Amino acid sequence: QVQLVQSGAEVKKPGASVKVSCKASGYTFTVCYMHWVRQAPGQGLEWMGWISPNSGGTDFSQKFQGRVTMTRDTSISTAYMELSRLRSDDTAVYYCARQLVGATAIDYWGQGTLVTVS
Amino acid sequence: SFVLTQPPSVSVAPGQTARITCGGNNIGSKSVHWYQQKPGQAPVLVVYDDTDRPSGIPERFSGSNSGNTATLTISRVEAGDEADYYCQVWDSSSDWMFGGGTKLTVL
Repeated sequence: QVQLVQSGAEVKKPGASVKVSCKASGYTFTVCYMHWVRQAPGQGLEWMGWISPNSGGTDFSQKFQGRVTMTRDTSISTAYMELSRLRSDDTAVYYCARQLVGATAIDYWGQGTLVTVS
Repeated sequence: SFVLTQPPSVSVAPGQTARITCGGNNIGSKSVHWYQQKPGQAPVLVVYDDTDRPSGIPERFSGSNSGNTATLTISRVEAGDEADYYCQVWDSSSDWMFGGGTKLTVL
């Protein structure tokens, strides 16, 4: 079965960077784009960007351009999201999420990683 | 940029039908997807490409999309359907977007 397992919670100081990992299993990692979506406490879902595990190509929301980096290591079926110059309003649960093949929807989500900036 | 508008809340009695809307300029020309999120959990895809259901999602969940409004319909609502629901589209100018979310309350 498809699983996306994310790294654990992080606490960071303002101005620091955070790197969250997402290990995929149960499918061929390079077939599906991987997205990152965040959710601030009590707020809605916010799309950050995607990475193609096959090519390494990326696309980011304009809001995060210049602050976010998405990478992958195909040898261990793991995607990474790094957010720099953290601010207090970056406090959120960060999800990795697999794109459904042939559609612009997300069919599997990681369990989420809480990043607290304080 | 493309904006998706959802009502903040919808209330329905058990056994009745809930309809959650997602408004956007000519949204009928786009593929709309719907997610259910319960407290403390990751979202779950319940409808994709306007009307399709992933495997394991009950037939009680259905979708439609026309003009400026997409709708998620939940028939024979159960207590376990109480959750936040989000619509989502991909738009060439705005990329991936989520609506603000609708809290479904089962009375």
